[in-house]
Amino acid sequence: GNSVTQMEGPVTLSEEAFLTINCTYTATGYPSLFWYVQYPGEGLQLLLKATKADDKGSNKGFEATYRKETTSFHLEKGSVQVSDSAVYFCALKDSSYKLIFGSGTRLLVRP
Amino acid sequence: DTAVSQTPKYLVTQMGNDKSIKCEQNLGHDTMYWYKQDSKKFLKIMFSYNNKELIINETVPNRFSPKSPDKAHLNLHINSLELGDSAVYFCASSQDQGKVEKLFFGSGTQLSVL
Repeated sequence: GNSVTQMEGPVTLSEEAFLTINCTYTATGYPSLFWYVQYPGEGLQLLLKATKADDKGSNKGFEATYRKETTSFHLEKGSVQVSDSAVYFCALKDSSYKLIFGSGTRLLVRP
Repeated sequence: DTAVSQTPKYLVTQMGNDKSIKCEQNLGHDTMYWYKQDSKKFLKIMFSYNNKELIINETVPNRFSPKSPDKAHLNLHINSLELGDSAVYFCASSQDQGKVEKLFFGSGTQLSVL
């Protein structure tokens, strides 16, 4: 079945460091791919998305590129801030109108 | 003004009890969901309602029963609680079932079964 695999956290970085959070997927066809973010004490929020191969989603300095050949959708940011500390979830939308989430990766950014 | 609100935020209860979690959205959305986040942080869909009609019912014990009195509300009732039910439960909504990628989540209900 369809699934999403994310790197295990926590990921701990210093402010202004480069961030990569890996995400790979298994799916039939060509699903849409998403990154959601969960700040402490809040629900998940859509961060960015890509709907077809080679699309790049971007928002708030975060980027992710839909790579069909490697079935990946890695999240990157060039310079993280303390306020980026959160849990990040990779997800795919399958053909049955469901979102399938990865296990989440906690990011901790130190001043 | 909170878009998707769920209550209570924390719920601690004994095994065997029956409990409910309430969810309300003020976004005018047609579709609402319940997700369960287990201790390993996996987030899995349980149910989805579109205009008060059940459209997704994943493999969930029948001790879990969703109720949608109107399209702005989706409550989750759990009978005979078990230790394994301990998790964080998230309510969410989307404009319609085709807009599932743009989910609005509540802040979660942490259920602890002792």
